Parts: sequence; structure tokens; C-alpha cells
Amino acid sequence: ETGVTQTPRHLVMGMTNKKSLKCEQHLGHNAMYWYKQSAKKPLELMFVYSLEERVENNSVPSRFSPECPNSSHLFLHLHTLQPEDSALYLCASSQDSGTVSDTQYFGPGTRLTVL
Amino acid sequence: RKEVEQDPGPFNVPEGATVAFNCTYSNSASQSFFWYRQDCRKEPKLLMSVYSSGNEDGRFTAQLNRASQYISLLIRDSKLSDSATYLCVVNRDAGNMLTFGGGTRLMVKP
Repeated sequence: ETGVTQTPRHLVMGMTNKKSLKCEQHLGHNAMYWYKQSAKKPLELMFVYSLEERVENNSVPSRFSPECPNSSHLFLHLHTLQPEDSALYLCASSQDSGTVSDTQYFGPGTRLTVL
Repeated sequence: RKEVEQDPGPFNVPEGATVAFNCTYSNSASQSFFWYRQDCRKEPKLLMSVYSSGNEDGRFTAQLNRASQYISLLIRDSKLSDSATYLCVVNRDAGNMLTFGGGTRLMVKP
């Protein structure tokens, strides 16, 4: 299944590094999402974009910076992260962000380790 | 109180058993409800939506009780391949902002 792809799949970075996570959806959807899944915790919604405009920022620290250049691509820029930011970062897309019943399709995730 | 609460399990059941998971949610304004399945080190995938009238998809039956703010998932004739974590998911408000429960882990043994 290649509807939503994410790169890299694994990333190890130091606290002073700058890196970016990439997500691409091939489903023709208008909405894209970033989620964080930490060990022993539920998935947490971080950001939502609809038609390339940010519609939700769920009180995420500024060391995480999203970018949505078009409706098919979503980036998460990372800088000066902390070890507690180590987690699985999941991208998802749906037809629309305002329709309550739209199914969200997830990418395989990027497993991030911050040293 | 957590927005979506689930028993983390694990539920260890033999093949062929019937197993039920429950989930409660705190936001009475929630409108859409789902069960997602997440295999170990994989992404979540939609298992089924949950409708007010209850719905069935093969061996899986989902029920919603709005008055009690309670959702259930019943799996009949469990297969080894059903082993996974089952995520109860509720939309937060009028939009498609989902809130996930912590998941219930199911292990089906031969």
C-alpha cells in the first residue's frame, strides 16, 4: 500500500541537529495531519492542514515547524529537539478536514530517536 | 479524566474465542466514532466506523451507546491474525480532529 508515504522511516539525531520529515499522499486528498505516538501514550494530534492552510496547531512546541507546500506534501521541520521528543511520527491524510466521517489514512511513520 | 479511555489489556484469548473491548469517551459533542487496528511497529488502519444503530462487518460488531458515552467492539471466532492493538477513536468536534484512546492489546493464541 503506497497511498501515504513517509521518509525517512528511521532517524537518529542529536539535540543540536536540524532535520526534516517528509510525507506524501497519492490519494488526491485535501487534508493532511501530523501525529506523535510516544511509548505507552495515545496518538496525539500535532498539526492539521486543509488545502495547504494550517487549521489546527495543537499546542506543539516551536521546535516543531510544519510546512505544507501543496496538498500532496507535508513536512515537519525539527530543530533543537529534546530526548523526550523521541517517538513515532505519523502522517495521515483525508479527503477533507471538516467532514466528521472522513477516513484518515496513515503513512508508515518515522521512528525518531533524539540523543 | 482521559478523553478516550480503554483497558490496555493485554487480552490473551485462544483461537476461536469471542472477545469484547470497551471504550468510554468524555466529550458528549462527539459525532463520529471508529475502531482502528494497529499492528506492532506499523501504522493505524481503519477497522470500522461505529454507527448509532450498531454495525457488523464479518466477525466484527461495533456498538455505540451515546447516553452512556460508550463504544464496544466484539470479535467472534478469533484468528491468530487478529492479534494487534485496537484503538478507539472519537472525533473531537464538528471537524475531523480525532482523539485516540491508548489502545487495547489483543493476543490470540493457538
